[in-house]
This record gives sequence, structure tokens and C-alpha cells, in this order.
Amino acid sequence: GAVVSQHPSRVICKSGTSVKIECRSLDFQATTMFWYRQFPKQSLMLMATSNEGSKATYEQGVEKDKFLINHASLTLSTLTVTSAHPEDSSFYICSATSSAQETQYFGPGTRLLVL
Amino acid sequence: RKEVEQDPGPFNVPEGATVAFNCTYSNSASQSFFWYRQDCRKEPKLLMSVYSSGNEDGRFTAQLNRASQYISLLIRDSKLSDSATYLCVVIAPGYSTLTFGKGTMLLVSP
Repeated sequence: GAVVSQHPSRVICKSGTSVKIECRSLDFQATTMFWYRQFPKQSLMLMATSNEGSKATYEQGVEKDKFLINHASLTLSTLTVTSAHPEDSSFYICSATSSAQETQYFGPGTRLLVL
Repeated sequence: RKEVEQDPGPFNVPEGATVAFNCTYSNSASQSFFWYRQDCRKEPKLLMSVYSSGNEDGRFTAQLNRASQYISLLIRDSKLSDSATYLCVVIAPGYSTLTFGKGTMLLVSP
């Protein structure tokens, strides 16, 4: 199946710093990438949808100025958590899909801990 | 009513047992359905798509009941390695966004 990578897999940062997470589709062109967040014992919650070359569409309640998403190419999307706070600590997962399929392929996730 | 609902479990079954999960969805126009498997602290991985006619993949059988708006997953001959959380995923019409259920935890014991 299609492969999606994320980097870093884990990050610990101080409150107030910014953290960038990369999501790459390794063997297909991802016209659309999705960013999810998962708190312990919760389901995945969609944060935003990004299409290559256009602005991301954010879900209700997700601050676009805090969670900056860039989808500059068909294989790379980045999520930047700006001025991170402890409540932003979570498991962030990206997924990608091409125009030819509905199935979303997930990255391995990034575990963020903000101290 | 929540968009996608699942019994969180856990379902505790012995090896070799048959176990079934259901997942209900609220949007009658939903067009695509999937089962994902998520191991503890890992990302979800696609287990199988769910087709209108039902589909089988080895020990796993998925079915869709549009009239009652639910999908099901049947696991036969459970293995220890089947222990995981099974997420029901529904795609609404018109766009690719997935809506996840909270998942059903399965624990298979020796």
C-alpha cells in the first residue's frame, strides 16, 4: 500500500515554542492531506484539510493562526503548532489521499509533549 | 445522535472465538465505509473497505446495512494479534473527509 511518513515521531518542547511536523507521501502524489489530533482514549479528530497549492480548510474550533498548515507540494504538508502550550500535547497524525482513491493512508503519527 | 457511534468495549474473547462489532452512522447519504485497526499508541491502519454487497478478507467479514444505517465487522478464529482498537470510518457524500468512531477495543486472551 501507499506509504506516508511523518517527522519527527516524538517531540518534547517548552511552552511557548513552535513545533513543525512534516508529513510526506513517499510513493504517490497526495492531492489532499489531512491533519488529525488524537487525545488519549479518544478518537481521531480532524483538524484541517489541505489541498496542494491552496489554503487549508480548518474544522470548527481549530485556530488557523495557531496551527499553520502548508501544503506546498504534492508530497509534503507541514503542520506548525505555534506558541505551543501543555494542552496542545497530543498525538498528531496526518493522512494523504490521491485524486484517484478515497482511501486515506496514515502517517505513523507525531507525539507532542509540551512542558 | 452522534455521527458515528461504536461500543467502546472492551470485548474480551478467548483465542479462536468469533466476535462481531457494529457501528452506526447518522448521515443516511454517507457513501463510503471502512474499518481501520489501531494498535496502542500507533496510527490507524486500513483493515478493509465495506462494500454494499458485503466483503470478506480471510477471517474478517464486513457488511453494510443501509436501511438500518450500520456497518459490522466479524472476526472469526480470533488470534492474540487481533487485540487492538477497531475504528469505524464513514465518508460523507461530496468530499473526502473521514468521520471516525471512537473505536471498539478487542482483547483476545490465550
